[in-house]
Amino acid sequence: AQSVTQPDIHITVSEGASLELRCNYSYGATPYLFWYVQSPGQGLQLLLKYFSGDTLVQGIKGFEAEFKRSQSSFNLRKPSVHWSDAAEYFCAVAADMRFGAGTRLTVKP
Amino acid sequence: DAGVIQSPRHEVTEMGQEVTLRCKPISGHDYLFWYRQTMMRGLELLIYFNNNVPIDDSGMPEDRFSAKMPNASFSTLKIQPSEPRDSAVYFCASKGQGAGEQFFGPGTRLTVL
Repeated sequence: AQSVTQPDIHITVSEGASLELRCNYSYGATPYLFWYVQSPGQGLQLLLKYFSGDTLVQGIKGFEAEFKRSQSSFNLRKPSVHWSDAAEYFCAVAADMRFGAGTRLTVKP
Repeated sequence: DAGVIQSPRHEVTEMGQEVTLRCKPISGHDYLFWYRQTMMRGLELLIYFNNNVPIDDSGMPEDRFSAKMPNASFSTLKIQPSEPRDSAVYFCASKGQGAGEQFFGPGTRLTVL
């Protein structure tokens, strides 16, 4: 069965610092992978997705993620975090769209 | 398109009462998903439909929970009778065919007293 693991429950970074959120998946073939963001009181919004091709994918709001088959990972990155990035971030694997536990990001001024 | 529409946005009810949550997916989408989000359990997939047919309901916690999709533009999630531990935010999401992304509604915050 497909599964996805987000090892970090909560991460705190300073505004302007770089960010990396980890996601590991378990799947027999090349998975379809997604990152979503959830702001407080809101639904989930897609940041980016990977289906095939270039392993480095660009998303909205300056985020990117890199698919690494050898490590079964799809980590989310941003070079410089803004205070508005404080939210909960979810990694997901298709096809039945089960989500990881989420990582809550706090941004310090 | 207005996106996925859920109603009500907030629901407060007393234990033992029946609760019905409603969802209108994005027009043309073939898949519809119901999720429950709590602090303790995170985001749980309850059930999903493809072309109005339930495909996987293994996440439905108990017989008190039921979901229907009578047509392509409407789905309900019903809890009868409701219990305080059902308090959560319930999300509906839809997507088209293939492995595309889901589009989420704003959620229904349910409080069972």
